[in-house]
Amino acid sequence: GAGVSQSPSNKVTEKGKDVELRCDPISGHTALYWYRQRLGQGLEFLIYFQGNSAPDKSGLPSDRFSAERTGESVSTLTIQRTQQEDSAVYLCASSSYLGEQYFGPGTRLTVT
Amino acid sequence: RKEVEQDPGPFNVPEGATVAFNCTYSNSASQSFFWYRQDCRKEPKLLMSVYSSGNEDGRFTAQLNRASQYISLLIRDSKLSDSATYLCVAEAGTALIFGKGTTLSVSS
Repeated sequence: GAGVSQSPSNKVTEKGKDVELRCDPISGHTALYWYRQRLGQGLEFLIYFQGNSAPDKSGLPSDRFSAERTGESVSTLTIQRTQQEDSAVYLCASSSYLGEQYFGPGTRLTVT
Repeated sequence: RKEVEQDPGPFNVPEGATVAFNCTYSNSASQSFFWYRQDCRKEPKLLMSVYSSGNEDGRFTAQLNRASQYISLLIRDSKLSDSATYLCVAEAGTALIFGKGTTLSVSS
């Protein structure tokens, strides 16, 4: 079956521009996570969606970051007024069980 | 602060070697633990869950010591294809806390 997909796979943007990253989770997975991974670093939790519950936004690094999810489907992560330190791979994962998260291939964001 | 700490390595071993990775977690309330594998420039993938009694999956053995807040992964008879970064993961409520990973390089 289809796994988690993310788009775009690569995004180069100028400092100060807004970007929108998309995640299509595995059908039927109620939980969806966004992570950030800087080069050579570990995964940094950003935000978590579970069904229709209020999202856990505790990992968002600043108010320039926001995310939405429509029901149990697609999610978008928006970064406003991008900065160079936002350059990273943004990974989306979905799961039906907390531990077994299925990751998408990620979006590699480069802010110039 | 909820953290998972791992020795970053790299661990360089020959084929057939046995290698062990350790990690510690700071959140004593964590109930579930996992090992994920991440290949270079790829997404992480679940390798195995870690159960209190210890568990084995082929050449891989995971163990948990709750008293010491310590998790281990043992790989026997290393293969070239085992070369990757191994991420130690602890559950923290609604999220998973990932360690920064331990890099393994298996050579022929």
